[in-house]
This record gives sequence, structure tokens and C-alpha cells, in this order.
Amino acid sequence: DADVTQTPRNRITKTGKRIMLECSQTKGHDRMYWYRQDPGLGLQLIYYSFDVKDINKGEISDGYSVSRQAQAKFSLSLESAIPNQTALYFCATSDPLGAGGGDTQYFGPGTRLTVL
Amino acid sequence: AQSVTQLDSQVPVFEEAPVELRCNYSSSVSVYLFWYVQYPNQGLQLLLKYLSGSTLVKGINGFEAEFNKSQTSFHLRKPSVHISDTAEYFCAVDFGNEKLTFGTGTRLTIIP
Repeated sequence: DADVTQTPRNRITKTGKRIMLECSQTKGHDRMYWYRQDPGLGLQLIYYSFDVKDINKGEISDGYSVSRQAQAKFSLSLESAIPNQTALYFCATSDPLGAGGGDTQYFGPGTRLTVL
Repeated sequence: AQSVTQLDSQVPVFEEAPVELRCNYSSSVSVYLFWYVQYPNQGLQLLLKYLSGSTLVKGINGFEAEFNKSQTSFHLRKPSVHISDTAEYFCAVDFGNEKLTFGTGTRLTIIP
């Protein structure tokens, strides 16, 4: 079973619609992240959360919001989707006190979002 | 600004030939260094990481990387590639701010 799951895996929506992408993890990690991936740009950090009461903006948070409902759940919302938000979205988790040290991030399988 | 550079966006290599994927980063502060691999239609998987100690790090699938502090580099190598190594490879750096900065990725294509 996957440790980090994302739903939905694929979504097509229209401009102006509200969209929520969900992430769940069974790794027991406090830290969770949302990234978007665009071809040729690598991964860009949207939001991150170091625990349930901690939410931080990343490099490209405009047009996005998040909710950390529990240690295991971190949702990303697009309040009013626009075409340039078409991308692959990844959730990740990490544990800075994990084996071997460092803050290794573990990624979900991704959600492919298309905004028409 | 802190940045991670992967100069080669695409690298074609013949099967069983060696490969090196380059990664350079901007800062000389203490860093943690990572290589991730993304197979088609999948998420990112950790290949290897450098936290401290020996500058030569071995990872999964026969890959290794060498940390060079003076050149601020962390190049990924494999002595003999296979078709199954076809994927996109991302270098990532923690500059001590508890976040990862990713390079733009290198697409490795193996030629039979």
C-alpha cells in the first residue's frame, strides 16, 4: 500500500471552478508539502506545513489555499481555477528526525489537473 | 538567491554505456543534497542523499553521486545504464532552510 496517496489522480475542470486536491499519508510524518510540476521548470513549492497548526506559503502560493485537517491530511484548493494552473501536482511528506537524519521528502503519485 | 542548476535538460545514452548527470548549486553554506528519479507517470522516488561524511554516496539501482564542496556540485553517475533507467532525474538541495529547492530536471533516454 502506498504511504502517500493523492486524490483524484486526474481532473479536468473549467475556468472559474473551485477544485480541491487531497493528500493522505500513513507515514506518521508531521511535515507535508504541495508542489506543482511544469515541463522544464522542475518542482515549485506552493505551500508547506510543519505540523497541524503551522501553514506556510511557498514560492508560488497565489491562487491557491490549503487546509491541514489532521496530521495525515493536507488539502490544496484552487478557489477559481485558471488555465495556467494546468500542471502536475505533488504532495510530499517528511520527518526531520527520520532514520539517517536530513529531511528526506516522500512523494505521492501526483494529480494531473487540466483547466480548460 | 539560492538556486540549483541542471544544465542538461536531456541526455541520450546508449545502453550499457556510462552516464553522468550534472548538478550545481549556488551556495557554499552547509547543505543537504538529494537526487530523485521520476519514472513515466509516477511520483518522485529518492535515489540517494548526502547529509555528511563520505563525499561519495551510493544509492539504489547502481547509481552513485559525489559531493564536491569547492565546486558546489553533486553529479550523479552510473557505470552502465539499462533501458529501465529511462526517466527524469531531479537534483534537490536543502540550503539549511528546511525546504527543498529543485533543479529543472534531466531527462535520461537510453538508446538500445
